[in-house]
Amino acid sequence: DGGITQSPKYLFRKEGQNVTLSCEQNLNHDAMYWYRQDPGQGLRLIYYSQIVNDFQKGDIAEGYSVSREKKESFPLTVTSAQKNPTAFYLCASSIKGLAGANEQYFGPGTRLTVT
Amino acid sequence: SQQGEEDPQALSIQEGENATMNCSYKTSINNLQWYRQNSGRGLVHLILIRSNEREKHSGRLRVTLDTSKKSSSLLITASRAADTASYFCATDGTGANSKLTFGKGITLSVRP
Repeated sequence: DGGITQSPKYLFRKEGQNVTLSCEQNLNHDAMYWYRQDPGQGLRLIYYSQIVNDFQKGDIAEGYSVSREKKESFPLTVTSAQKNPTAFYLCASSIKGLAGANEQYFGPGTRLTVT
Repeated sequence: SQQGEEDPQALSIQEGENATMNCSYKTSINNLQWYRQNSGRGLVHLILIRSNEREKHSGRLRVTLDTSKKSSSLLITASRAADTASYFCATDGTGANSKLTFGKGITLSVRP
């Protein structure tokens, strides 16, 4: 059963704590992405990785960090430096190498609440 | 920066009616994609239309693309209550490291 999974579905943390969100895919996709979604808003790109051991900042990378040690996994750490971490976080992946095509497959999301 | 802007922001129709949603964008694209999101879930890819295509169909979905006007429309025919969701357009730019840029979405409510 191919797909992209995120865990946990809901996450609660105290202010000042770092927290890591998991994202795993078994689609054999090269590229992976992290987005943040706030109520009534579109998706904003946090980080993306086009290949193992390489990643780039997206539009709102401050206060976040990622790693891409394995093709299947792209964990996101929300650090205490992130001013407004409460949001819905979405992970996605896509096949690389098809010119002009970048269809993305999304996980179910993690809703992070920081108090 | 947000490239795609959807219109209207919200749409409410009766089951069986057609739903038309529009998306406008600012810069050149390789392709434009439409996604659907049910409340509290991840996005699901619906359809991709390339810059050299004008119209594409998939089941009850019809997408058009007018690159001269930098706009696209998504038509859902014979809507069902299960079509109730948010719909996003996303543009794939022409740069070497292009990435998808999503609009803010359209909330579609289909009344039974």
